[in-house]
Amino acid sequence: QVQLIQSGSELKNPGASVKVSCKASGYSFTAHSINWVRQAPGQGLEWMGWINVNTGTPTYAQGFIGRFVFSLDTSVSTAYLQISGLKAEDTAVYYCTRDRNDIEFDYWGQGTLVTVSS
Amino acid sequence: QSMLTQPPSVSAAPGQKVTISCSGSGSNIGSSYVSWYQQLPGTAPKLLIYDNYKRPSGIPDRFSGSKSGTSATLGITGLQTEDEADYYCATLDSILRTGVFGGGTKLTVL
Repeated sequence: QVQLIQSGSELKNPGASVKVSCKASGYSFTAHSINWVRQAPGQGLEWMGWINVNTGTPTYAQGFIGRFVFSLDTSVSTAYLQISGLKAEDTAVYYCTRDRNDIEFDYWGQGTLVTVSS
Repeated sequence: QSMLTQPPSVSAAPGQKVTISCSGSGSNIGSSYVSWYQQLPGTAPKLLIYDNYKRPSGIPDRFSGSKSGTSATLGITGLQTEDEADYYCATLDSILRTGVFGGGTKLTVL
């Protein structure tokens, strides 16, 4: 069965970096793009962008340009989200999702809570 | 503020029907498919509806979707207490080539 398994919760100091992993299984990894979605505490879902798993080309939503980087390791069917220069407002649950067709997310990771606090 | 507008909350009694609206524009809902997601407390969202009205395998036919012009609607009939959740619409903005979610609607089953 299709699964997206994300890495565990992280507690980071302001200014630090974090790398969240999303390991896919149960399907051909290169058949679907991976999107990332953020959910701040008590807030709604926010689309961060996506990565083309065939070319490795990332596309970022407007508010996620600069400190956010999407990457891949296709040899282990894993996508990554790296955030640098962490700020308190980056505290959120980050989800990876499989896109079946242009912003239609049929499988989701369990979410990774990133907490930024000193 | 999202480009897709949903009511913050809706409520209805068990067994009743509820609809949740999602209003956008010609560059998003008006020109792209709409999908709907259910998020139970403390869990990841789950796809309920794709391609405006289609249901993934395992989603009961109590859930339905429709689209007209620049608005979409999620319908839920025969409400059950386990339907209490947050519901989100989503679509592609065809001009910006970005994804967009609605602000979410909290469903309370009284």
